[in-house]
Amino acid sequence: GAVVSQHPSRVICKSGTSVKIECRSLDFQATTMFWYRQFPKQSLMLMATSNEGSKATYEQGVEKDKFLINHASLTLSTLTVTSAHPEDSSFYICSAEGQGSYEQYFGPGTRLTVT
Amino acid sequence: GIQVEQSPPDLILQEGANSTLRCNFSDSVNNLQWFHQNPWGQLINLFYIPSGTKQNGRLSATTVATERYSLLYISSSQTTDSGVYFCAGQGGKLIFGQGTELSVKP
Repeated sequence: GAVVSQHPSRVICKSGTSVKIECRSLDFQATTMFWYRQFPKQSLMLMATSNEGSKATYEQGVEKDKFLINHASLTLSTLTVTSAHPEDSSFYICSAEGQGSYEQYFGPGTRLTVT
Repeated sequence: GIQVEQSPPDLILQEGANSTLRCNFSDSVNNLQWFHQNPWGQLINLFYIPSGTKQNGRLSATTVATERYSLLYISSSQTTDSGVYFCAGQGGKLIFGQGTELSVKP
């Protein structure tokens, strides 16, 4: 149980285009999902907290107009990187909070490369 | 905000050896999780351990919440244990430590 999927697993896009990443909780409903970013050889940094049916809460320094988050259902959250630039190249990981606990379950991540 | 420190940053073991990884946090946390990040980037939940001791096979973890630390024990290490181990404490949101990169040599 507690499986989280992400799609796509890797994507290459040109500078200036937008990319959408999907995060799904496959066998449980997730009121709260989270989006993290990880640079090579570094730790995970929380970008935003996504609550179903409401606006996401962004961490300090994360541009909400650049990283659009939608959490339209209890099993799906999406992250759209708008007008991507090479410095947005990174590993993006989502997680979902288990029902009735604070334990988070992570997706396999999406590797974004912007050329 | 809460700071999470892990030690050691790197660890090289011979297969079969035991090890202890440590996680210190600067303030009280509601919960603590240990993860193993495999070479493909997937974070695998090892323990959800706000306090006390848990064991799962060759791995065990202990969190002493009053003293703000947690330990992860790996016994009889195997090459497949290699990777990065993260602890993360939650005080409103999950804050990750910098990780311990473990390499187990055959």
